Amino acid sequence: AQSVTQPDIHITVSEGASLELRCNYSYGATPYLFWYVQSPGQGLQLLLKYFSGDTLVQGIKGFEAEFKRSQSSFNLRKPSVHWSDAAEYFCAVAHGSGGSYIPTFGRGTSLIVHP
Amino acid sequence: KAGVTQTPRYLIKTRGQQVTLSCSPISGHRSVSWYQQTPGQGLQFLFEYFSETQRNKGNFPGRFSGRQFSNSRSEMNVSTLELGDSALYLCASRSQETSYNEQFFGPGTRLTVL
Repeated sequence: AQSVTQPDIHITVSEGASLELRCNYSYGATPYLFWYVQSPGQGLQLLLKYFSGDTLVQGIKGFEAEFKRSQSSFNLRKPSVHWSDAAEYFCAVAHGSGGSYIPTFGRGTSLIVHP
Repeated sequence: KAGVTQTPRYLIKTRGQQVTLSCSPISGHRSVSWYQQTPGQGLQFLFEYFSETQRNKGNFPGRFSGRQFSNSRSEMNVSTLELGDSALYLCASRSQETSYNEQFFGPGTRLTVL
């Protein structure tokens, strides 16, 4: 069965500092990998996704993530954090075919940004 | 284009009651998925509907059911509510074709069971 681990429950950074959120997955084949962000009282918004090809993927809001097969990781990064980035971040892995898939989410990492 | 809408946004019920939540997908989207989000269990997949048929189901008891209408709107029903059913229920839609495409999430329905 597929699984996702986000080892950091909370991360605190200062505004302007760089950010890396960790994500490790367990899945037999090449997975579909995603990062989502959730602001309080909101649904999830897709930041970026990886299916195949270039292992460094660019997303919205200045985020990027790197797929490392050897480490089963898909860490999210941002070079300079803004106060508006404070939110809950979820890594997810999905498998499926023909357009049908079932995602598994990590438990989330709460990002706190200090001014 | 309007986003995914969910009604109601907040709901309070008591144990033993049943509840129906509604989701209107983005226009043209034919796939609707439901998720339960709790502090203890995180985000868990409930089920996915496509063209009025349940295509996938997560590991939830039969008290959780859903359906999809011909206009792609979906409802989720929980019968015999338990305290542990208190959660944020999220709906997501996508324009499923033959390959994966992005899910768009609604703001959720916050269900509180007393």
